[in-house]
Amino acid sequence: DADVTQTPRNRITKTGKRIMLECSQTKGHDRMYWYRQDPGLGLRLIYYSFDVKDINKGEISDGYSVSRQAQAKFSLSLESAIPNQTALYFCATGPGSTDTQYFGPGTRLTVL
Amino acid sequence: AQKVTQAQTEISVVEKEDVTLDCVYETRDTTYYLFWYKQPPSGELVFLIRRNSFDEQNEISGRYSWNFQKSTSSFNFTITASQVVDSAVYFCALSEGAAYNTDKLIFGTGTRLQVFP
Repeated sequence: DADVTQTPRNRITKTGKRIMLECSQTKGHDRMYWYRQDPGLGLRLIYYSFDVKDINKGEISDGYSVSRQAQAKFSLSLESAIPNQTALYFCATGPGSTDTQYFGPGTRLTVL
Repeated sequence: AQKVTQAQTEISVVEKEDVTLDCVYETRDTTYYLFWYKQPPSGELVFLIRRNSFDEQNEISGRYSWNFQKSTSSFNFTITASQVVDSAVYFCALSEGAAYNTDKLIFGTGTRLQVFP
């Protein structure tokens, strides 16, 4: 089984809808991250969490919120989706601040 | 400012050719970490290597090798005897030192490698 899983893998939604992307990990890492990937822009950090009680904004957090339900679970929400949030979203986990981050398979989100 | 530049947007080679993917970085720190990730057509991100700024030794892993040169702020990746399965987008990334505790990975824009049979 994969160490980092994301659900759903693909989602098409409409402008204004609320949507939640979920991430689970079995690597036992404290730190979890959400990134988005846009063509030609690489990956950019949305939010990150050091542990269940410590959540921090990344460079592009506007329009997003997160919830760390447990050490192993980290969810990303779009309260009111807009078309420019169409992207590939990755969850990642890591043991420490400069350690390797391990990525999930990605969720492809399309907002119409 | 922290920045990673992968100037090669796309590279095409024929199988068995050697290919080098360039990565140039900018950082204000003396302690930092560099990474390479592979994104095959299936879309996932696969970790390849992590290197800290104090270790300038080149590294070889099978057909993969990495050349780290602090003098030119480069961390280049070479695939020897390329294979069709090497076709992917490759990302170079930079992490600030632990003192900043931001965990942020700064990614380059990626290089798409196509290996033709």
